[in-house]
Amino acid sequence: AQSVTQLDSQVPVFEEAPVELRCNYSSSVSVYLFWYVQYPNQGLQLLLKYLSGSTLVKGINGFEAEFNKSQTSFHLRKPSVHISDTAEYFCAVTYSSASKIIFGSGTRLSIRP
Amino acid sequence: EAGVTQSPTHLIKTRGQQATLRCSPISGHTSVYWYQQALGLGLQFLLWYDEGEERNRGNFPPRFSGRQFPNYSSELNVNALELEDSALYLCASSWGLREGTYGYTFGSGTRLTVV
Repeated sequence: AQSVTQLDSQVPVFEEAPVELRCNYSSSVSVYLFWYVQYPNQGLQLLLKYLSGSTLVKGINGFEAEFNKSQTSFHLRKPSVHISDTAEYFCAVTYSSASKIIFGSGTRLSIRP
Repeated sequence: EAGVTQSPTHLIKTRGQQATLRCSPISGHTSVYWYQQALGLGLQFLLWYDEGEERNRGNFPPRFSGRQFPNYSSELNVNALELEDSALYLCASSWGLREGTYGYTFGSGTRLTVV
């Protein structure tokens, strides 16, 4: 079955420290991967997406993610976080253009001053 | 360009009643998706409509239903409300079947509280 796993439910980090949010998906021949961010009391906003091509994908707000096919991972990284990055982050996957997007359970990123 | 709009933003209903949630997609988007985000349960896929047809349905009972109108807006109906239906209901839209891989645009959601 298609699935995506976010290994950490919560990640606390200090402001200006680097962060990595982990995401693994169930293997498939072709896969399309996304990271979304949800700020408190808001809907989800697309951070970045991998469709094909370069395995390093750059998104908004200084985030980037690397597609690793051998490890079936799509970890999200930021070299220096800010208080404003406090939010819940969702990894998502779809396996074809005619499939719905499946979301992970989310990782809550909390930034300590 | 207007984003995905959902109404109402908050809805309080009594157990056993019916709730109707509405969603207007981005102009030009033909696909509408509904997700339920209950506390501690992440995003659960509910329904997907494209060009007025139901394309896929999540693992929810039949009292969760919906439809898509000719202008591509959509309605989600929840009958015989139960306490555990309390959640944030998110609507998203995309260009359509071939473009679903490009990601969805989400609305801000409707917070449904069942008392």
